[in-house]
Amino acid sequence: EAGVAQSPRYKIIEKRQSVAFWCNPISGHATLYWYQQILGQGPKLLIQFQNNGVVDDSQLPKDRFSAERLKGVDSTLKIQPAKLEDSAVYLCASSLGDLSSDTQYFGPGTRLTVL
Amino acid sequence: KNEVEQSPQNLTAQEGEFITINCSYSVGISALHWLQQHPGGGIVSLFMLSSGKKKHGRLIATINIQEKHSSLHITASHPRDSAVYICAVYFGKLVFGQGTRLTINP
Repeated sequence: EAGVAQSPRYKIIEKRQSVAFWCNPISGHATLYWYQQILGQGPKLLIQFQNNGVVDDSQLPKDRFSAERLKGVDSTLKIQPAKLEDSAVYLCASSLGDLSSDTQYFGPGTRLTVL
Repeated sequence: KNEVEQSPQNLTAQEGEFITINCSYSVGISALHWLQQHPGGGIVSLFMLSSGKKKHGRLIATINIQEKHSSLHITASHPRDSAVYICAVYFGKLVFGQGTRLTINP
């Protein structure tokens, strides 16, 4: 079974530039999550999708971050414009459902450096 | 204020030692997860607990709902156990602790 795929793996941009990340979840997984992990900290949920609908985006900085889940499968996360404090690893995860007992499967992450 | 606190933040031990990592949380939860993160970022789910104790190989996880506390134990630790161990609690969404960096020296 293929895991969660993310691209790119690494990205370096200058502040005020735009960047987009892509995630392909495990086939059949209804729930998709984007997390931001700053160095030395645990992941923080940015947005959760159930199929192609948004369940929770309370911690997404909506003035600069946007995300969509195309046809309830792949997802893209965009930052426009980027700030220095956006430097982090962006993790995508998916699960079958959204229950507390559902295991989340994580992708390898995209490491973003903003200069 | 962090809703999930882990201790210690860093732990270095010798191969073969018994390891304990602690997690405390401040709100009522429906489940607690322990995850392992290796260098390079990959995160793997180890356990999901809502009560009692679970064991998988050399790993044991316990939870005390009344005391809002969970522990992850590793018996006969090995250098390949070196990783960051993260506790996450579920109350509508997963909230993660800051992680415990474990280094096992041969």
